[in-house]
Amino acid sequence: EVQLVESGGGLVQPGGSLRLSCAASGFTFSSYWMSWVRQAPGKGLEWVANIKQDGSEKYYVDSVKGRFTISRDNAKNSLYLQMNSLRAEDTAVYYCARDSEMTTVTTGWFDPWGQGTLVTVSS
Amino acid sequence: DIQMTQSPSSVSASVGDRVTITCRASQGISSWLAWYQQKPGKAPKLLIYAASSLQSGVPSRFSGSGSGTDFTLTISSLQPEDFATYYCQQANSFPPVTFGGGTKVEIK
Repeated sequence: EVQLVESGGGLVQPGGSLRLSCAASGFTFSSYWMSWVRQAPGKGLEWVANIKQDGSEKYYVDSVKGRFTISRDNAKNSLYLQMNSLRAEDTAVYYCARDSEMTTVTTGWFDPWGQGTLVTVSS
Repeated sequence: DIQMTQSPSSVSASVGDRVTITCRASQGISSWLAWYQQKPGKAPKLLIYAASSLQSGVPSRFSGSGSGTDFTLTISSLQPEDFATYYCQQANSFPPVTFGGGTKVEIK
């Protein structure tokens, strides 16, 4: 069974840091683009970042550039999101999501998604 | 960035009804559009990709159409398990991919 399990969320003060992890199983992790997508409480979906199979390409939404870093460890079947200089507006459930197909260029479709991990930025 | 606008923001319907949700892109995106279903407290689920292709395992009562700037998700006969929020998403202009604001399908 294809599975993505996020961890690492929690309460952090503004300006603080947090590292999210996503453990993948049930598929060849190293063959897929991977993304982080977030959802603020009661709000819609916002794509945050993605990373190519070998980590050679990484892309970010403008609002997190310079503060967040996406990375992966294919040997550990894991995806990460290092979040620094956190702001109240970063409060959200963060989902790990896999590209729906094994392609060299990302399709942009996400399937499946993990269950999400909640990040709360508050003093 | 390409803006995605969904309408309506919510719709009340009964089991067996035909439901149509529309999504408009701020510029042409060819067929680079997906639809997701999200139930409360759960992760989104991919229903339709490339505007009209049904994801494996998704019931055939779901269908998508459109190209360019105007797209439609149709549920031909609403089932109890279909009450959820639906999001469109464009992947033509990347980064970033962008999502619509969502349409909540509620029980009438």
